[in-house]
Amino acid sequence: ETGVTQTPRHLVMGMTNKKSLKCEQHLGHNAMYWYKQSAKKPLELMFVYNFKEQTENNSVPSRFSPECPNSSHLFLHLHTLQPEDSALYLCASSLGGRTDTQYFGPGTRLTVL
Amino acid sequence: EDQVTQSPEALRLQEGESSSLNCSYTVSGLRGLFWYRQDPGKGPEFLFTLYSAGEEKEKERLKATLTKKESFLHITAPKPEDSATYLCAVPTAHSGGYQKVTFGIGTKLQVIP
Repeated sequence: ETGVTQTPRHLVMGMTNKKSLKCEQHLGHNAMYWYKQSAKKPLELMFVYNFKEQTENNSVPSRFSPECPNSSHLFLHLHTLQPEDSALYLCASSLGGRTDTQYFGPGTRLTVL
Repeated sequence: EDQVTQSPEALRLQEGESSSLNCSYTVSGLRGLFWYRQDPGKGPEFLFTLYSAGEEKEKERLKATLTKKESFLHITAPKPEDSATYLCAVPTAHSGGYQKVTFGIGTKLQVIP
């Protein structure tokens, strides 16, 4: 595997379910990000981890819970979601530093029924 | 407030018909600008980083330029495979070893054979 991978690619869940999204980066990067992308809106930064430490929580509801066990893996745990949480969830990673480039995974298309 | 505005929102071109996409930004202290390409249902794919006004970068039929207030993505003799949404992004903060980025909403390009 190369680059940034995400699983699953598609997820349909009910409002009472608990599920997790997984992201893995094979680039040797130090920072990892979760973004939400909804139609007609710019990418919204949700969480940032740098060297496994959470450095940003962009006022995200507690029904989204991130986990970063090491610099290569990032999870987003989901529980009691709302239909408006349906979106494309993107993981990205970067080396770190000024004007450094973020590389994205393919995303997970989440539908909440 | 840091802002990134892209225009037009959508653009339809005939194959071979050259055009430009615009990205204007308002940030305090420009540290660079990113262009990404995003295909439907996929994650953004990195294209270019421009670091300072006057800089230009090229990749196949794409050429990105940067001024102090805006960036242009010029598409020369486009082909149907250039159809995608093109995202512009600007670094807006740097702290804790990672780069916070503000994205535009994108320009959806359709190239008709």
